[in-house]
Amino acid sequence: SQQGEEDPQALSIQEGENATMNCSYKTSINNLQWYRQNSGRGLVHLILIRSNEREKHSGRLRVTLDTSKKSSSLLITASRAADTASYFCATERAGSYQLTFGKGTKLSVIP
Amino acid sequence: DVKVTQSSRYLVKRTGEKVFLECVQDMDHENMFWYRQDPGLGLRLIYFSYDVKMKEKGDIPEGYSVSREKKERFSLILESASTNQTSMYLCASSLFSGTSTDTQYFGPGTRLTVL
Repeated sequence: SQQGEEDPQALSIQEGENATMNCSYKTSINNLQWYRQNSGRGLVHLILIRSNEREKHSGRLRVTLDTSKKSSSLLITASRAADTASYFCATERAGSYQLTFGKGTKLSVIP
Repeated sequence: DVKVTQSSRYLVKRTGEKVFLECVQDMDHENMFWYRQDPGLGLRLIYFSYDVKMKEKGDIPEGYSVSREKKERFSLILESASTNQTSMYLCASSLFSGTSTDTQYFGPGTRLTVL
């Protein structure tokens, strides 16, 4: 069953704009991770945020986590054409050491 | 850098054939995973392994088996391939942190077509 669900399913923006993607989940988590996938390739880990953290930054990425609302957001600032990819959130099932991935947000950055 | 390699990028097989997909990681990770990715369904876990010769079923193990004889290698086996197993197969590995899931490192994927 899907744990994380991303929103929107697709997003198209101009280069230089910010992109925000959201993820909602259903059960308690230890951490939430965001991954990027370029077309037809494997996933690349972007950032991990633990349940006791509220915000985390990595370069142009900013992730927030609201455990009371069971939601997270990924913000990419000053987007570039190279950011065009699908973005997935993944949550850990409690005690299982497995990740459950959402269906992803497809981001298109237009030069 | 962690490197996860998969034996083939593209594979075409016939219905009923036995198919082996191999995955190798070079970072001494304890955990290894096999996913399949289909449009509209996202990534779904088939099997995972947290140690040599250990395996656990994921969400969709039916029609698949796995083998982990060495720590660095995790094989996915389709005993008798069927057309509904046409998909992108992704292998991943991660450290065992003991308390929670660590970052997973993915291979480039194998796009399998079963005719």
